[in-house]
Amino acid sequence: GQQLNQSPQSMFIQEGEDVSMNCTSSSIFNTWLWYKQDPGEGPVLLIALYKAGELTSNGRLTAQFGITRKDSFLNISASIPSDVGIYFCAGLKGGNTPLVFGKGTRLSVIA
Amino acid sequence: DSGVTQTPKHLITATGQRVTLRCSPRSGDLSVYWYQQSLDQGLQFLIQYYNGEERAKGNILERFSAQQFPDLHSELNLSSLELGDSALYFCASSVANSPLHFGNGTRLTVT
Repeated sequence: GQQLNQSPQSMFIQEGEDVSMNCTSSSIFNTWLWYKQDPGEGPVLLIALYKAGELTSNGRLTAQFGITRKDSFLNISASIPSDVGIYFCAGLKGGNTPLVFGKGTRLSVIA
Repeated sequence: DSGVTQTPKHLITATGQRVTLRCSPRSGDLSVYWYQQSLDQGLQFLIQYYNGEERAKGNILERFSAQQFPDLHSELNLSSLELGDSALYFCASSVANSPLHFGNGTRLTVT
């Protein structure tokens, strides 16, 4: 099935550093979502974006809905150890089409 | 806590067997989705139900089936199990086109 191109696949960063990851597609999406998955748990919604160009923050997290509607990025500022996990982007085209997920970015934070 | 409940948490069974995974959606959510997460494969959409009726179908094998009951809980049936069916199976629920909320998954191991 169709998937979003999410990069990077994995990141190792020092505590306190900023992180940036992105998601691209050849298709247009009406909604972009960012989820985080901790080991042994289901994905948890971090940020939802509904309009092209929209920039939304949730604490140290900021995400943007690309102007072309074909991409989105997520930034995490001043990373902390509990930011460790897998971050997934997901796109929704609307109608009855299902939510499509990227393959995830695995984030490791070194204290 | 997402409000989505999945049982069992873990399931170990042999090839050729059949299992049933159960999901209770968040209160008020009419849509239920099933996703499969294999190692390094991200989240693959299987099937969606809305208020008891099948709404969308993804890459779901013919050996797999699902249903949503009048009380809105859903079951995913996996039969003639193969080693490659070992994965995490997630249920998610939502209201209309709102973001999905995931359960903590059922980890299926086929030996």
